[in-house]
Amino acid sequence: AQTVTQSQPEMSVQEAETVTLSCTYDTSESDYYLFWYKQPPSRQMILVIRQEAYKQQNATENRFSVNFQKAAKSFSLKISDSQLGDAAMYFCAYRRAHTGANSKLTFGKGITLSVRP
Amino acid sequence: DAGVTQSPTHLIKTRGQQVTLRCSPISGHKSVSWYQQVLGQGPQFIFQYYEKEERGRGNFPDRFSARQFPNYSSELNVNALLLGDSALYLCASRATVSYGYTFGSGTRLTVV
Repeated sequence: AQTVTQSQPEMSVQEAETVTLSCTYDTSESDYYLFWYKQPPSRQMILVIRQEAYKQQNATENRFSVNFQKAAKSFSLKISDSQLGDAAMYFCAYRRAHTGANSKLTFGKGITLSVRP
Repeated sequence: DAGVTQSPTHLIKTRGQQVTLRCSPISGHKSVSWYQQVLGQGPQFIFQYYEKEERGRGNFPDRFSARQFPNYSSELNVNALLLGDSALYLCASRATVSYGYTFGSGTRLTVV
């Protein structure tokens, strides 16, 4: 079974600074997708960024980028120029590829990010 | 376009009662999944439906059931509620050829 581990329960960053959130996963599959989701107090899970395992290039979305280390099964999220609106819970998630309509997400426990003004 | 909508947003039930939660996916999305998120934890997969058929089930007791309707909306039913069923229930939909899911804002269920 696939597992996703987020070992840091909380992190804090100064506004405008950079922060990195860690995630490791375990799988025997060679092809899969990895995601970072943000969950603000409004509760809605918002997709921040995704990475396809077959791509060596790290994904980037504006201020958000990942460091994907497939051999180490590590998938960290870097937030640059942190803003107050970035404060939320962040979840790392895994999904197997090529599963057709059966494609559940496996989530980590999440990390609470606070941003200091 | 409207996002994934869930109803109700909050509800309180008594132990032993039954509850039905509803989800309307994004227009055109045929896949709907349900997740349970206990406070302080990550969401846990409950069910996935595609084209009105169950395509996946998580490690939940038979008290949990779901269905998908011809318009792709979905219901999650939980019978014989336990205190431990108190959680945020999230619905997510996905287009057929898409990597990621779009989530609704969830239903907060409190069992007393």
